[in-house]
Amino acid sequence: NAGVTQTPKFQVLKTGQSMTLQCAQDMNHNSMYWYRQDPGMGLRLIYYSASEGTTDKGEVPNGYNVSRLNKREFSLRLESAAPSQTSVYFCASTDRGPIGAQYFGPGTRLLVL
Amino acid sequence: QQPVQSPQAVILREGEDAVINCSSSKALYSVHWYRQKHGEAPVFLMILLKGGEQKGHDKISASFNEKKQQSSLYLTASQLSYSGTYFCGTEIYIGRNTDKLIFGTGTRLQVFP
Repeated sequence: NAGVTQTPKFQVLKTGQSMTLQCAQDMNHNSMYWYRQDPGMGLRLIYYSASEGTTDKGEVPNGYNVSRLNKREFSLRLESAAPSQTSVYFCASTDRGPIGAQYFGPGTRLLVL
Repeated sequence: QQPVQSPQAVILREGEDAVINCSSSKALYSVHWYRQKHGEAPVFLMILLKGGEQKGHDKISASFNEKKQQSSLYLTASQLSYSGTYFCGTEIYIGRNTDKLIFGTGTRLQVFP
């Protein structure tokens, strides 16, 4: 099992460019999450999907969109990147909602110039 | 809604003990604890549910005081491998599952020989 995988590992964008961060899990988990991590801010929830076909906003959804493509895949899209979106993005999944361990992917480091 | 962790940083010698606290201004349904090593993804340590159950993981244990809306992580006889940043993740209790965690800003723990 690969667990949770994320692509790309690192990306540099110019302000205004768009990109999609990909996440896939092979653990048959129902719930998937996107977080961003900035120095001193901890992990902040951007969007989550409690089950296939549903998505909900987290703490910091502005400037992002998500798609739960199927049970395995959950993508995060930046339509028009801004320097404030420079961060490390983590995808996570769990099989029991809030009472299950969240398994994190390796992260995507994004730099917006 | 973000829980407050204290202290922000801890420096220990091998074999010493430490306590990390996590406090919320809201009633909690569950508290998760994760450890993140530099440049890596967070890794699940344990979860505590409403009911005050104390959990353990090797020489790391935790407690959950619902009335005080607090959780504490206890690291005894610390090892070099304990170094990293510890995050609590809280699910606020609103009478039903919300399927999402709100993470604290983290406590950086460094263990020296």
